[in-house]
Amino acid sequence: GQQVMQIPQYQHVQEGEDFTTYCNSSTTLSNIQWYKQRPGGHPVFLIQLVKSGEVKKQKRLTFQFGEAKKNSSLHITATQTTDVGTYFCAGPTTDSWGKLQFGAGTQVVVTP
Amino acid sequence: NAGVTQTPKFQVLKTGQSMTLQCAQDMNHEYMSWYRQDPGMGLRLIHYSVGAGITDQGEVPNGYNVSRSTTEDFPLRLLSAAPSQTSVYFCASRDRGLDEQYFGPGTRLTVT
Repeated sequence: GQQVMQIPQYQHVQEGEDFTTYCNSSTTLSNIQWYKQRPGGHPVFLIQLVKSGEVKKQKRLTFQFGEAKKNSSLHITATQTTDVGTYFCAGPTTDSWGKLQFGAGTQVVVTP
Repeated sequence: NAGVTQTPKFQVLKTGQSMTLQCAQDMNHEYMSWYRQDPGMGLRLIHYSVGAGITDQGEVPNGYNVSRSTTEDFPLRLLSAAPSQTSVYFCASRDRGLDEQYFGPGTRLTVT
């Protein structure tokens, strides 16, 4: 069945550094979404990408959707302690129900 | 708007007990989902609904039942709790035309 994979599983970052997390799907996606979950919290929607090659920015966060619409990336510049949390990507399943398949997430730890 | 609400926040059950996790949303969303979150495994879909009276199974439905008698409510029933059902459970909803999902605060369930 469809799989959504994220790498790395863990990311330790020094405050002020940049890092990138990647999301890969086994199938072509109509769109991809990114969510952030703070420790002890619930997932919160960040962004949705729809077009092939699309790039969107939210302040220090840059999201990209691959040309083949099977992969995506999230790049964070000048990491801050507020970036701590787990970042999930999610894509719609191939059935017609509109369900979402989530990746396992990248857990980000920021050291001052 | 309260958004998506879940009760209880914490629950401890003994093996074999049954219980219902409550979920309600006040945004008039048609689509509602139940996920479980386990360490390193992301969010896995348990059950899904696209409207009152219409439900479908997700990736891990065994041991759980759902019903959707109203647009607002989507309870999740554990028929006979097992230690493998120890997890954090999130309910989510979204509007038909939008893919952004709104998550509830979660229920942390421990089965001993």
